[in-house]
Amino acid sequence: DAGVIQSPRHEVTEMGQEVTLRCKPISGHDYLFWYRQTMMRGLELLIYFNNNVPIDDSGMPEDRFSAKMPNASFSTLKIQPSEPRDSAVYFCASRRDLGEAFFGQGTRLTVV
Amino acid sequence: QKEVEQNSGPLSVPEGAIASLNCTYSDRVSQSFFWYRQYSGKSPELIMSIYSNGDKEDGRFTAQLNKASQYVSLLIRDSQPSDSATYLCAVPAQNFVFGPGTRLSVLP
Repeated sequence: DAGVIQSPRHEVTEMGQEVTLRCKPISGHDYLFWYRQTMMRGLELLIYFNNNVPIDDSGMPEDRFSAKMPNASFSTLKIQPSEPRDSAVYFCASRRDLGEAFFGQGTRLTVV
Repeated sequence: QKEVEQNSGPLSVPEGAIASLNCTYSDRVSQSFFWYRQYSGKSPELIMSIYSNGDKEDGRFTAQLNKASQYVSLLIRDSQPSDSATYLCAVPAQNFVFGPGTRLSVLP
């Protein structure tokens, strides 16, 4: 398996624009997590899915953030409209049952 | 109280020394605990998992778990400059929350 795949790796956008981050989890994994990492706040859990169903989105900072998982092999995290304070590295991770989580390589988002 | 707490560091140790990293957690029902290592600019990767009280050794790494005290630690023996990274403690439960991480610097 190629591991968790995220795209794009880097994204630079202007304030106010819509940003969509994508994630393909490892096949057979039933949990998918979205994290945001900054120097100030560390690795924050934004939302996680179990069997494609959102279970806990209490970490989503604002209504500008939304996440979907239309099927077991694809998830998106959308920010609309984007703001400079959204600049961070966004990670997607997946796991099977209660095992370890495997991370994608992350998307570095810069909002100018 | 935060779910998972760690000393934020930075922790500096000389090459060859033992590095000790600590983590406390609030979820009493968790049965598994993970240590991840994250190099600068990279994604976290699992280095140790521990499920029962006591010690678990893997090469130069030893994880120690005390469920009664809700405490898990990671010891790195014979520290090398290549061990310089941020170490993250994770208490999976279901929502896989991480601690803030401890930055370790191993000085040649």
